[in-house]
Amino acid sequence: GAGVSQTPSNKVTEKGKYVELRCDPISGHTALYWYRQSLGQGPEFLIYFQGTGAADDSGLPNDRFFAVRPEGSVSTLKIQRTERGDSAVYLCASSLAGVSGELFFGEGSRLTVL
Amino acid sequence: GQQVMQIPQYQHVQEGEDFTTYCNSSTTLSNIQWYKQRPGGHPVFLIQLVKSGEVKKQKRLTFQFGEAKKNSSLHITATQTTDVGTYFCAGVSLYGQNFVFGPGTRLSVLP
Repeated sequence: GAGVSQTPSNKVTEKGKYVELRCDPISGHTALYWYRQSLGQGPEFLIYFQGTGAADDSGLPNDRFFAVRPEGSVSTLKIQRTERGDSAVYLCASSLAGVSGELFFGEGSRLTVL
Repeated sequence: GQQVMQIPQYQHVQEGEDFTTYCNSSTTLSNIQWYKQRPGGHPVFLIQLVKSGEVKKQKRLTFQFGEAKKNSSLHITATQTTDVGTYFCAGVSLYGQNFVFGPGTRLSVLP
């Protein structure tokens, strides 16, 4: 596609539920990043994929968070047993050249946990 | 771990005034990038700096990378209302694989 696509754009869920957020990067971009952004804050790194593998998952806050990218393109961020503190905008970005190139961000998925 | 700070947190200027935001990293960086995020939007790439002491200009925007590669600045000359938004720096540490974003500087421009 023309840009990074993220779905859903908005997700409201109840505490304790399971959530999946999807990211479709720019075609040909091997690097994919997940960030989350709370109101008034900068993007907080979660995980970085190079191809199919997670090159750096040091930003995942705990084992409730997991991400996959099975075919090296689309990625899914999975959050189990959601908590109110998980509420944020989850941003996905792709890059042609990893940390040497610019990040192209999607519009984000706004998650609200009630 | 690596920390990136930015000052000021907020800046209100009259249209036509200059604006500067400063970015400081706790560790030496391999490169630094700047992004702009409009209200309700997503971060959009502005520039990347790689070399020590590097200065780059984009029309009214001037970006600098410090000699020690631990700090950077963005200066906007003669601000316009279209400059409104939050400006983030994002640094990559020497052996890092991800971008660490600063908290951003939110710019308001009064017409």
